[in-house]
Amino acid sequence: DGGITQSPKYLFRKEGQNVTLSCEQNLNHDAMYWYRQDPGQGLRLIYYSQIVNDFQKGDIAEGYSVSREKKESFPLTVTSAQKNPTAFYLCASAPRVSGANVLTFGAGSRLTVL
Amino acid sequence: EDQVTQSPEALRLQEGESSSLNCSYTVSGLRGLFWYRQDPGKGPEFLFTLYSAGEEKEKERLKATLTKKESFLHITAPKPEDSATYLCAVQIGGATNKLIFGTGTLLAVQP
Repeated sequence: DGGITQSPKYLFRKEGQNVTLSCEQNLNHDAMYWYRQDPGQGLRLIYYSQIVNDFQKGDIAEGYSVSREKKESFPLTVTSAQKNPTAFYLCASAPRVSGANVLTFGAGSRLTVL
Repeated sequence: EDQVTQSPEALRLQEGESSSLNCSYTVSGLRGLFWYRQDPGKGPEFLFTLYSAGEEKEKERLKATLTKKESFLHITAPKPEDSATYLCAVQIGGATNKLIFGTGTLLAVQP
């Protein structure tokens, strides 16, 4: 079955460490997204990518970095510059960026900073 | 400023007790309104897309409607398995086709 796989599901980080969250999709979608979800707030867009080797900042990109070397993969690195990284991170994909697209989400990765 | 507001924040129903969730929006250039269901600790799951005022869509006990300023998710005779957080998102026009999410309504259906 096609879908999005995020790993790890749970991750603990010490302050000052970078961590990378994995996102892989086998839906042949062009567009991929990273969202952050915090209690009491709507999902907020971190980064998105329309094609391989291209990506754009979302609303809260500071302290995060991404790469898109393959169509199927869109890893997110949470750097030590992110001041409040504890959150639930969601990866999503869509057939393309333009038009009213339905996003398919992964199961999420919960990051906790100790 | 583009904004999406969902109400109520939380709703507790008895099994079989019908109700509605609200999603009001103030955006420019609406391209679509989406409803998602999210179970605890999981990613959102797509339910409906609505494109224009007057449009309605149904799926089992759920029915979504859209006006120029808001959308309703009607739940008829809910069951405990309908318990989840329901998210509304609005897609606006422009170069990025950005999605703006509401904060969600947490629905609990008691047997």
